[in-house]
Amino acid sequence: DGGITQSPKYLFRKEGQNVTLSCEQNLNHDAMYWYRQDPGQGLRLIYYSQIVNDFQKGDIAEGYSVSREKKESFPLTVTSAQKNPTAFYLCASSNAGSYNEQFFGPGTRLTVL
Amino acid sequence: QKEVEQNSGPLSVPEGAIASLNCTYSDRVSQSFFWYRQYSGKSPELIMSIYSNGDKEDGRFTAQLNKASQYVSLLIRDSQPSDSATYLCAVISLNPGAGSYQLTFGKGTKLSVIP
Repeated sequence: DGGITQSPKYLFRKEGQNVTLSCEQNLNHDAMYWYRQDPGQGLRLIYYSQIVNDFQKGDIAEGYSVSREKKESFPLTVTSAQKNPTAFYLCASSNAGSYNEQFFGPGTRLTVL
Repeated sequence: QKEVEQNSGPLSVPEGAIASLNCTYSDRVSQSFFWYRQYSGKSPELIMSIYSNGDKEDGRFTAQLNKASQYVSLLIRDSQPSDSATYLCAVISLNPGAGSYQLTFGKGTKLSVIP
């Protein structure tokens, strides 16, 4: 059963804590992405990775970090430096290139208490 | 800054009518265009992709692209209450600084189909 999984579905964090969101895909896609969505807003790109062991900052990378040690996995860490982390986080994957469609996981809803 | 603009709505149509969703984009060299459907509290689901000028039909959905006018639209025929969702327009453009392609999303149009 091919797809993208994200965990956890809901996450609560105290201020000052780092948290890591998991994203795994078994679609054999080269590229993976992290987006953030705030209420009434479009998706904004945080980080993306075209190949293993390489990743680039998106439009709003400050306060976040990623790693890409395996093709299937692209975890996102929300650090304490992120000023307003409460949001819906979406992971996506695609084949590389300009014509390739991105497919999304179910998302993680992060709330800072 | 590459931009994708959509009317936020809400757009209300009666059941069985045609819903027309519009999107404009700022980057003239954009190459690929997508429509995603997002139900409340869920992740976006890809419903249409279009790469060349003209119309592309898939079931009740038709995507229309006009690169000269930098305009892409989505028509939903015989609208059903289950079509009620937010529709996101997304455009792929080259990021020359990074040497890679990025997807830029509009903020979405909320569609409500009234039974």
